[in-house]
Amino acid sequence: QKEVEQDPGPLSVPEGAIVSLNCTYSNSAFQYFMWYRQYSRKGPELLMYTYSSGNKEDGRFTAQVDKSSKYISLFIRDSQPSDSATYLCASLNAGGTSYGKLTFGQGTILTVHP
Amino acid sequence: DAGVTQSPTHLIKTRGQQVTLRCSPKSGHDTVSWYQQALGQGPQFIFQYYEEEERQRGNFPDRFSGHQFPNYSSELNVNALLLGDSALYLCASSSTGARTPGELFFGEGSRLTVL
Repeated sequence: QKEVEQDPGPLSVPEGAIVSLNCTYSNSAFQYFMWYRQYSRKGPELLMYTYSSGNKEDGRFTAQVDKSSKYISLFIRDSQPSDSATYLCASLNAGGTSYGKLTFGQGTILTVHP
Repeated sequence: DAGVTQSPTHLIKTRGQQVTLRCSPKSGHDTVSWYQQALGQGPQFIFQYYEEEERQRGNFPDRFSGHQFPNYSSELNVNALLLGDSALYLCASSSTGARTPGELFFGEGSRLTVL
């Protein structure tokens, strides 16, 4: 079993739709949770960052972490064609020696069509 | 401010050959991590370098080795290439003093094809 599981999709939605992307994880030591966005032929870029459980909102994006169920979510409101990309969830152990060793999900390919 | 730069962007090798990939971290960053991303998969951690030493390593064989130079740039070497080594190799830089431990800055990657 992979430590971070993510439905690869692909997911296709019309412009303006609300998008829900989800991951589950199995390692209880994970304390930091991130969403990276990767455009075609580019490296991933950090989109959202959450420490432990809770919600975090940034513009049209909301990240949620439920540590009791080991569930990670990203919501995109009013989706735009420019949001079309692969979305990668990632987790990280607490502790300095683990910094940088992210465990990624498989990635979900999202297409927002006009 | 230049971000993370990687070279070469694309390369083709044959089985059994050796390859060296290079990375220059973002200005002000002292830590370099390398990831392998197979087609349709998420990145997998290979290893991380800090202060010119390998600080931690993922589940990759000894054929994968690396180096960090005093200017913080890094190389990834892969010996005895296998077909399964075909992937996008991503370099990510970070700072040990960062407030967000999981914030990595990725380069655009080196796409390796092994024939």
